[in-house]
Amino acid sequence: AQSVTQPDIHITVSEGASLELRCNYSYGATPYLFWYVQSPGQGLQLLLKYFSGDTLVQGIKGFEAEFKRSQSSFNLRKPSVHWSDAAEYFCAVVPGSSNTGKLIFGQGTTLQVKP
Amino acid sequence: NAGVTQTPKFRVLKTGQSMTLLCAQDMNHEYMYWYRQDPGMGLRLIHYSVGEGTTAKGEVPDGYNVSRLKKQNFLLGLESAAPSQTSVYFCASSGQRASYEQYFGPGTRLTVT
Repeated sequence: AQSVTQPDIHITVSEGASLELRCNYSYGATPYLFWYVQSPGQGLQLLLKYFSGDTLVQGIKGFEAEFKRSQSSFNLRKPSVHWSDAAEYFCAVVPGSSNTGKLIFGQGTTLQVKP
Repeated sequence: NAGVTQTPKFRVLKTGQSMTLLCAQDMNHEYMYWYRQDPGMGLRLIHYSVGEGTTAKGEVPDGYNVSRLKKQNFLLGLESAAPSQTSVYFCASSGQRASYEQYFGPGTRLTVT
């Protein structure tokens, strides 16, 4: 079945440590890929997106993500986490065959940052 | 430029009551979407619209209706609310098919008792 999987429901890292959040998808054609962040009580903000081209994409707030076609993955990374990065992170895809732009979301990963 | 706004922000309903959630966008976007967010389930698409006067079902449409009479507005209706519809509802809009970048509203927290 077509799906988006975020294997880690909850991650805790120390401030200043590096971060990697995993995302895997199962769609035949390469989809459009997104990472969104949601702070408590807020809406979703787009961090970065991948449509084509360079497989390493840069986003806002110092985040980057790498598309790996062979692994059907789009992992989010940040070299040094700040306390303000504590939030919930969602990976989302628009299937390559879509003509409606419908986003399919993963279950989300909650990031906790220790001082 | 307000982006995407949602009304109301919070609401408590009793089982069987009806209500309408309003989503408005001022970016002249063609595409609009309604999602619900439940713990551990991410966001799930309820209904969407690819243009004024059009609507279509998403992943979890049962118990909801929508209307897109004006390009800037997308209404989500609950005709007879049920406790299972307790959730946070998000509206989003997207302008260009090529980008598919969706802009989200702040959400409506609905509790059905």
